[in-house]
Amino acid sequence: DSGVTQTPKHLITATGQRVTLRCSPRSGDLSVYWYQQSLDQGLQFLIQYYNGEERAKGNILERFSAQQFPDLHSELNLSSLELGDSALYFCASSGRQGAVTGELFFGEGSRLTVL
Amino acid sequence: AQRVTQPEKLLSVFKGAPVELKCNYSYSGSPELFWYVQYSRQRLQLLLRHISRESIKGFTADLNKGETSFHLKKPFAQEEDSAMYYCALSRGSNYKLTFGKGTLLTVNP
Repeated sequence: DSGVTQTPKHLITATGQRVTLRCSPRSGDLSVYWYQQSLDQGLQFLIQYYNGEERAKGNILERFSAQQFPDLHSELNLSSLELGDSALYFCASSGRQGAVTGELFFGEGSRLTVL
Repeated sequence: AQRVTQPEKLLSVFKGAPVELKCNYSYSGSPELFWYVQYSRQRLQLLLRHISRESIKGFTADLNKGETSFHLKKPFAQEEDSAMYYCALSRGSNYKLTFGKGTLLTVNP
């Protein structure tokens, strides 16, 4: 079990650009969650998918979108990037059969820097 | 709406001293509460859940519904406890977690 993997680990881009962050959940996990961590805001929930369907939505900007594919990997698309979008974006997964309730498994995060 | 408040951004104690990391929540239903921890250079991971009533690494947390609190306690802090601690709330299994902003605990020798 390789755990949750996120790519890229680091990304530097310019304002106005668009990026895609990728997440592969743990084997067997059906839910994928995206969180944004910036200095002052802590971990902000963005969106959750369960088995390909959107399950819950948080403070996700309209410029951001996500999807979960049939193989359960997920992508977070960030467009028209602004300086304030610079943050660490975490993916987490859960929902494996017999798993501990409420235990999310986190990736290492993708650090986005917008210049 | 769900909300989790951790009033202390930073907490510093000496080795062997008791430690308490505070967490208060607001939620109209019956929440499930968790503590997550992130050690240096490691991933965020679950420390304990209120529903299991267990002690992990010497830490315990009691859910106080009257005070809407879920404080994390350890009677004798160790240097290896130094980490970022997040309190989190969920309305049920496989639902999103709402996190507090975290408390950075430093245990000094």
